[in-house]
Amino acid sequence: KAGVTQTPRYLIKTRGQQVTLSCSPISGHRSVSWYQQTPGQGLQFLFEYFSETQRNKGNFPGRFSGRQFSNSRSEMNVSTLELGDSALYLCASSLGEGTFEQYFGPGTRLTVT
Amino acid sequence: GQNIDQPTEMTATEGAIVQINCTYQTSGFNGLFWYQQHAGEAPTFLSYNVLDGLEEKGRFSSFLSRSKGYSYLLLKELQMKDSASYLCAVMDSNYQLIWGAGTKLIIKP
Repeated sequence: KAGVTQTPRYLIKTRGQQVTLSCSPISGHRSVSWYQQTPGQGLQFLFEYFSETQRNKGNFPGRFSGRQFSNSRSEMNVSTLELGDSALYLCASSLGEGTFEQYFGPGTRLTVT
Repeated sequence: GQNIDQPTEMTATEGAIVQINCTYQTSGFNGLFWYQQHAGEAPTFLSYNVLDGLEEKGRFSSFLSRSKGYSYLLLKELQMKDSASYLCAVMDSNYQLIWGAGTKLIIKP
């Protein structure tokens, strides 16, 4: 079974720009969660989508948004990028019901200059 | 607020045993997870505890005490490849994972 894939793997953007990251979950998984990881901060939860609906949301500003499509693929958008948005963005998929084990993708390394 | 505490860094010797502790204070509890993350890679699932007690899986074991808000991950017969960060995460009442900052484990020969 193919694992979680994320595109692109690396991205360099300028302050003020916007960016869209993509995540394809494991086949059959209906839940996709997004995390921001920075050194010393650990994993910070952004949001979770299940069957195209946002089921949970972390404490991030409205510049961070996401969506999920009918095939469970998910996208995350960050508008008006700030230097502090530089981080590794990870998505994780799970079945979403009955079992909560999450499988992570390789991440997208975003650098904002 | 919700809080997960684990040591920042630990050092152990190849072949030895190490215990990584995790304490938590969360709004509700729906299970505790341990993940391993090698540098530059994504986290990978190690264990899940929802009931008190010890879960053993090969060289790795995980323990949970819900009344104490405490868990530990026990690694036996340490190998150099076990050098990684170990992340503790608790699923709260909203089924949201709250993550600790991770423990960097350094294995010395």
